[in-house]
Amino acid sequence: DAGVIQSPRHEVTEMGQEVTLRCKPISGHDYLFWYRQTMMRGLELLIYFNNNVPIDDSGMPEDRFSAKMPNASFSTLKIQPSEPRDSAVYFCASRRTGGGYEQYFGPGTRLTVT
Amino acid sequence: GENVEQHPSTLSVQEGDSAVIKCTYSDSASNYFPWYKQELGKRPQLIIDIRSNVGEKKDQRIAVTLNKTAKHFSLHITETQPEDSAVYFCAASNWEYGNKLVFGAGTILRVKS
Repeated sequence: DAGVIQSPRHEVTEMGQEVTLRCKPISGHDYLFWYRQTMMRGLELLIYFNNNVPIDDSGMPEDRFSAKMPNASFSTLKIQPSEPRDSAVYFCASRRTGGGYEQYFGPGTRLTVT
Repeated sequence: GENVEQHPSTLSVQEGDSAVIKCTYSDSASNYFPWYKQELGKRPQLIIDIRSNVGEKKDQRIAVTLNKTAKHFSLHITETQPEDSAVYFCAASNWEYGNKLVFGAGTILRVKS
């Protein structure tokens, strides 16, 4: 199995631009999670999906952030417009019901907003 | 909501010594407690986890203990090695609600050789 795949691995953009982060979960996994990691706030859950349906988006910081999961093998996290304080590493993770509780993390996308 | 506190924030030990990292949680409904290891520039990876119906779990040099009454759990690493140097995160969740993890702030472990 290829594991959770994220793209791009690095993104540098200017303030005000739209940013789209992509995630492909492990095949057969029905839960997908988006996390953000910063030195100040640590690892925080932004949103998670079950069977492509958003279940809890209480961690999404503001309306500039949106996430979609159009099918079981693809999810996006969009920031529009981006701001310097959005600079962070964004991780996607997935897990499978009945497969234990472990969440498998992707390699992350390092976002820098200048 | 759940709140997880983790101590210490940094820990330095000599190779071969033991390391202990402690976490407390606030929500008595939490029933799943994983520990993740994150090396510099890498993704978090699960190293051990424990469910609320178990008080202790071991896997070679690592062990986790859980005290539900006091709402705290700890990670124990024995015979530390330089490759144990990393950031360790504890987390808590209620698996009945989708396994939404709330992480502690992390502990930087340095193993000196």
